[in-house]
Amino acid sequence: DAGVIQSPRHEVTEMGQEVTLRCKPISGHDYLFWYRQTMMRGLELLIYFNNNVPIDDSGMPEDRFSAKMPNASFSTLKIQPSEPRDSAVYFCASSATFASRQETQYFGPGTRLLVL
Amino acid sequence: LAKTTQPISMDSYEGQEVNITCSHNNIATNDYITWYQQFPSQGPRFIIQGYKTKVTNEVASLFIPADRKSSTLSLPRVSLSDTAVYYCLVGDGSNDYKLSFGAGTTVTVRA
Repeated sequence: DAGVIQSPRHEVTEMGQEVTLRCKPISGHDYLFWYRQTMMRGLELLIYFNNNVPIDDSGMPEDRFSAKMPNASFSTLKIQPSEPRDSAVYFCASSATFASRQETQYFGPGTRLLVL
Repeated sequence: LAKTTQPISMDSYEGQEVNITCSHNNIATNDYITWYQQFPSQGPRFIIQGYKTKVTNEVASLFIPADRKSSTLSLPRVSLSDTAVYYCLVGDGSNDYKLSFGAGTTVTVRA
């Protein structure tokens, strides 16, 4: 399996521009997570999906952030408009159906976003 | 969710054993203890998980005392490549996947 795939790996944009981050979870995984990591705040959970349905988006910082999962193999995290404080590494992770209480999350390589 | 406390950083030398203790005083009956490892410029990676007593795999060992209020991750004979941030997480994931990664413990291995 190729693991969780994220694109782009790096993104540099200007303040006010729209940014779209993409994620392909591991095939067969029912849960998908979006995280953001910064030096100041560490690793924060933004939103997670179960069977393509958003379950908890309380970590989404504000209305400028939105996430979708149109099918089991694809998710996007969109920031519109972007601001310099959105600069961070954004990780996508997936996990299998919670069955044995030992499910782990598999993280992608992350997208390093810099908003100028 | 159970709150965890672990040291911010630890230094070690190649070949030594590194033990990282995580406190989780309000761990619930159904909670598991999971440790992740994160190398620079990479996403976290699962390394070990346990419920009680001792768990060992090819990467590390996890020691959990009977009261389960703490756990110790043991990395045997570390090498430079073990330099990473190690996160302790507690939860059962049944209703809430808000596993808090916290600040983790930065382990630096020196030659």
